[in-house]
Amino acid sequence: AQSVTQLGSHVSVSEGALVLLRCNYSSSVPPYLFWYVQYPNQGLQLLLKYTTGATLVKGINGFEAEFKKSETSFHLTKPSAHMSDAAEYFCAVSGSGNTGKLIFGQGTTLQVKP
Amino acid sequence: GAGVSQSPRYKVAKRGQDVALRCDPISGHVSLFWYQQALGQGPEFLTYFQNEAQLDKSGLPSDRFFAERPEGSVSTLKIQRTQQEDSAVYLCASSTGTATGNTIYFGEGSWLTVV
Repeated sequence: AQSVTQLGSHVSVSEGALVLLRCNYSSSVPPYLFWYVQYPNQGLQLLLKYTTGATLVKGINGFEAEFKKSETSFHLTKPSAHMSDAAEYFCAVSGSGNTGKLIFGQGTTLQVKP
Repeated sequence: GAGVSQSPRYKVAKRGQDVALRCDPISGHVSLFWYQQALGQGPEFLTYFQNEAQLDKSGLPSDRFFAERPEGSVSTLKIQRTQQEDSAVYLCASSTGTATGNTIYFGEGSWLTVV
């Protein structure tokens, strides 16, 4: 079975500060990993994904994440937070089999203070 | 449209009522997923279609939940005899292929409140 744990249900940073959202996964097969963002009353939007190859993945809006197999982690970072980054962030891992279904973490709410 | 479209966006149902939620995936997308997202939680997988075939329904919580995609495009999620615990956002998603790792695109969801 595969699972995702997001450490910290709420993270608060000041505008301009580093954003770090933590994600750890469990998988018996090589994982494909994703970060999605959800703004209020909207669906999920893909920020970035890791499938194979380079372990540092760059996404939209200045976000990036690094796949660390030894730590079973896929933490999301952004050097400088903007007010518009305030949202819910979900880490996900692809399920076993070939359907591509995603297994999500519980989410982390990012608050950005002026 | 360019994205995944869901209707209705908001639905209030009385307990015991049947509801139907519709999903229009991105044109040409083979794979279609339904997820349930309770308040303050991450989305949880309900069911998966590859074209018209329902290949995985392991996440459907009870036999009151039923999904179909008869022509391999539009899909409907039906909930019979709704109960309060069914209150959630129901997300539809689609992707071009069937392989693990394909980008999955989500709709804005149908918000169901059972009173």
